[in-house]
Amino acid sequence: GENVEQHPSTLSVQEGDSAVIKCTYSDSASNYFPWYKQELGKGPQLIIDIRSNVGEKKDQRIAVTLNKTAKHFSLHITETQPEDSAVYFCAATTNFGNEKLTFGTGTRLTIIP
Amino acid sequence: NAGVTQTPKFRVLKTGQSMTLLCAQDMNHEYMYWYRQDPGMGLRLIHYSVGEGTTAKGEVPDGYNVSRLKKQNFLLGLESAAPSQTSVYFCASSSLPRQYFGPGTRLTVT
Repeated sequence: GENVEQHPSTLSVQEGDSAVIKCTYSDSASNYFPWYKQELGKGPQLIIDIRSNVGEKKDQRIAVTLNKTAKHFSLHITETQPEDSAVYFCAATTNFGNEKLTFGTGTRLTIIP
Repeated sequence: NAGVTQTPKFRVLKTGQSMTLLCAQDMNHEYMYWYRQDPGMGLRLIHYSVGEGTTAKGEVPDGYNVSRLKKQNFLLGLESAAPSQTSVYFCASSSLPRQYFGPGTRLTVT
């Protein structure tokens, strides 16, 4: 089955700087890659997603890039703010429309004021 | 529009006791899921449902049962709780491929 690895497990960034979180996947058939943000005591919230026919997607300060050849995708957060502090999870599914996602183990992002 | 809701928010059980976690969604989604979240292990799929009256096993189904009698509800049961089932449980629903999560239930088994 699919295996998703996520790095780093923790990341501290000065407020205003950029943060990058990387994930690799094992199954070349994977074609949908969402990112979730989980604040303390809450459920994961979908913040951005990308399909395999697109190399990059941007939504305000958040962007996701996909490299299908290398089988990795990354989350980029620019101009970080204190409210960006959270745990971020990447995920992948092996077939668009497949009902199951495989999640990475999470990155705890801390924004230093 | 409440999205995905979970009941209860917290629960403490003794080993061997049983309980049911309730998940409800008001988005008319066909797909629903139960995950458990443990430190350092991300989210692991317990069971899921692709529609009313259907259930299927996920990655870690042992010790759990589920039922989907109504489209909007997905129940997770623990028949005989064990300390290894101490975890945070999340329900999600989906209009493929996007999944939307509930706020979670923190369960402690002593």
